[in-house]
Amino acid sequence: NAGVTQTPKFQVLKTGQSMTLQCAQDMNHEYMSWYRQDPGMGLRLIHYSVGAGITDQGEVPNGYNVSRSTTEDFPLRLLSAAPSQTSVYFCASSYSTGAHEQFFGPGTRLTVL
Amino acid sequence: RKEVEQDPGPFNVPEGATVAFNCTYSNSASQSFFWYRQDCRKEPKLLMSVYSSGNEDGRFTAQLNRASQYISLLIRDSKLSDSATYLCVVSNSGYALNFGKGTSLLVTP
Repeated sequence: NAGVTQTPKFQVLKTGQSMTLQCAQDMNHEYMSWYRQDPGMGLRLIHYSVGAGITDQGEVPNGYNVSRSTTEDFPLRLLSAAPSQTSVYFCASSYSTGAHEQFFGPGTRLTVL
Repeated sequence: RKEVEQDPGPFNVPEGATVAFNCTYSNSASQSFFWYRQDCRKEPKLLMSVYSSGNEDGRFTAQLNRASQYISLLIRDSKLSDSATYLCVVSNSGYALNFGKGTSLLVTP
């Protein structure tokens, strides 16, 4: 099993550009989520999904869109990148709700200039 | 006030020392509690869940005090490989995790 994979590992964008961060898991997990981690802020939940076709907002959803068309994939879209979105983004999955062990991907380091 | 508060440290301890981290949470309805470990520039990984009765995993002991709303992690006989950031994590609704900012531990020879 590859676990949770994320691409790309690194990305530099200019303000206003859009892009999609990819996340995939091969553990047949129902629950998937996206976090951002900033220095001194800890991990903050952006969006989550409890199954294919079901998504909901987390603590900091503004500027991001998600969709969940399959159990395996949970892409995160930045609509119009801003310098405030410079961060490390982690995708995570778990068997059921957030109360179970979360398996994290290796992260995407995004810089917005 | 953030939902989960941790002392950021850093905690610098010599090998073999015992070190304890505390964490407080603000929502008395919180249901699930965890400690995650995060190495530098890596993803967080589950270290252990925390149960009301307290639980132990080798050199690691976790305690939960619901009345005072705090969680602790005790590491005995510290190893160089224990150097990492330890994240206190609390789940309220079951659909979202609240992460503390983490406590940094450096174990020195």
